[in-house]
Amino acid sequence: ELKVEQNPLFLSMQEGKNYTIYCNYSTTSDRLYWYRQDPGKSLESLFVLLSNGAVKQEGRLMASLDTKARLSTLHITAAVHDLSATYFCAVVKDFGNEKLTFGTGTRLTIIP
Amino acid sequence: NAGVTQTPKFRVLKTGQSMTLLCAQDMNHEYMYWYRQDPGMGLRLIHYSVGEGTTAKGEVPDGYNVSRLKKQNFLLGLESAAPSQTSVYFCASSYTGARTGELFFGEGSRLTVL
Repeated sequence: ELKVEQNPLFLSMQEGKNYTIYCNYSTTSDRLYWYRQDPGKSLESLFVLLSNGAVKQEGRLMASLDTKARLSTLHITAAVHDLSATYFCAVVKDFGNEKLTFGTGTRLTIIP
Repeated sequence: NAGVTQTPKFRVLKTGQSMTLLCAQDMNHEYMYWYRQDPGMGLRLIHYSVGEGTTAKGEVPDGYNVSRLKKQNFLLGLESAAPSQTSVYFCASSYTGARTGELFFGEGSRLTVL
C-alpha cells in the first residue's frame, strides 16, 4: 500500500524566513503533485512533477522531486502572509492507476 | 468559467436518510472523482469514473454509490447515511487522468450526519 508522509504537519514561521516542507512516499512513482488549500476552500494545483530531478518554481515556492529517494520538497523563500494555507502532496502509484494518494497536509502559518 | 461545481454546499442528515451529491464540470473532462476529507487526514478517493457510463471503486467506497450517466455529471449517493460519513466531500475532474495530468477540484460539500 502506498503511504505518503509529510513533515512537518504544522509549521509557524515568520515573514521573510525560508523553510522547506518534505513529502516522502513509500513506493516507486515518478508522478507527484503539490496542492494548496485555504481554510474552507477547495484544493488548488500548484505543481505537477513528472520526472526524477524535476524542479518547478512559482513565485516564492519551489518544488523538486527525487524519485530515487522517494522524496519531494516544497521550499518557501522569504515567506509572506499570503502563503498561509495547508499544502498537500499527492502521488500516483502505477500507470493506469487513477488513485491519487494524498499526504496528511502541512498547515503553514506565516506570522507578520 | 464555472469549472467544477458541487451541489449542495452544505447538508445535514439524520442517520439512515439518503441523499445525492451532484458534481458538474464544463471542461469536457473524461475523468471524474469523488474524494472525502476528514480532519487531520489527506483526501481519500471514494469512487471515480474514466468516462461516461463507467465507474470504479476507490480507496473507501463502502456506503456510497455513484453514477455517470452524462459526461459532465458525476453523482455520489448515500443510501443510508451514517455518522461516520460526516465529512467534506470534494469532486474533481481531469482531462487525461490522475496519472498524467492535474486534477481540478470543486469547492466541496460539507455533510453532517446526526
